[in-house]
Amino acid sequence: DAKTTQPPSMDCAEGRAANLPCNHSTISGNEYVYWYRQIHSQGPQYIIHGLKNNETNEMASLIITEDRKSSTLILPHATLRDTAVYYCIVRANFGNEKLTFGTGTRLTIIP
Amino acid sequence: EAGVTQFPSHSVIEKGQTVTLRCDPISGHDNLYWYRRVMGKEIKFLLHFVKESKQDESGMPNNRFLAERTGGTYSTLKVQPAELEDSGVYFCASSRAGSHNEQFFGPGTRLTVL
Repeated sequence: DAKTTQPPSMDCAEGRAANLPCNHSTISGNEYVYWYRQIHSQGPQYIIHGLKNNETNEMASLIITEDRKSSTLILPHATLRDTAVYYCIVRANFGNEKLTFGTGTRLTIIP
Repeated sequence: EAGVTQFPSHSVIEKGQTVTLRCDPISGHDNLYWYRRVMGKEIKFLLHFVKESKQDESGMPNNRFLAERTGGTYSTLKVQPAELEDSGVYFCASSRAGSHNEQFFGPGTRLTVL
């Protein structure tokens, strides 16, 4: 699986949009971008995934650049409960392979 | 729908002892995964079951670790004998059959080896 690079930490004011970047310059054509998060003392939680088109669900939006070398996860109205470590993961599109977690971005929502 | 459950939530054992962790996946999920985070490190994959078969066990650290999933329902992960470096949080996840199905994680078992 391709390697991802994320900033180690970010702050965001409560109620504002949180934009979390991820670089995956070695991503191959059959690999998807996944985002998970881990809130303190809980198991990781799926957020969203995409291939090349932008995606949106009830939790977040995923913007993938046209060359697919980077992406941004957007939490439109961050709340204190969004404080967590966010992981950007690149994963092949066949089967149900393992997730390869990096160090992630520790997002802190400031009241 | 009940989520992934893991038992125990915490376990403290001495070096050389045996510990068995249990994971109950979401009902109907064919895929079951084990991951772990040891102190200060990233979450690492251990192995993947499809029903009762081991699909990928490339992450198992050594032969002190034995995972089973008899009958394709719950799974156990046994560590025998436990070593200090086995301390960490062990996560189980499950997903439905098919591609790109999200993995649902349990709350983890915190293992401390003294």
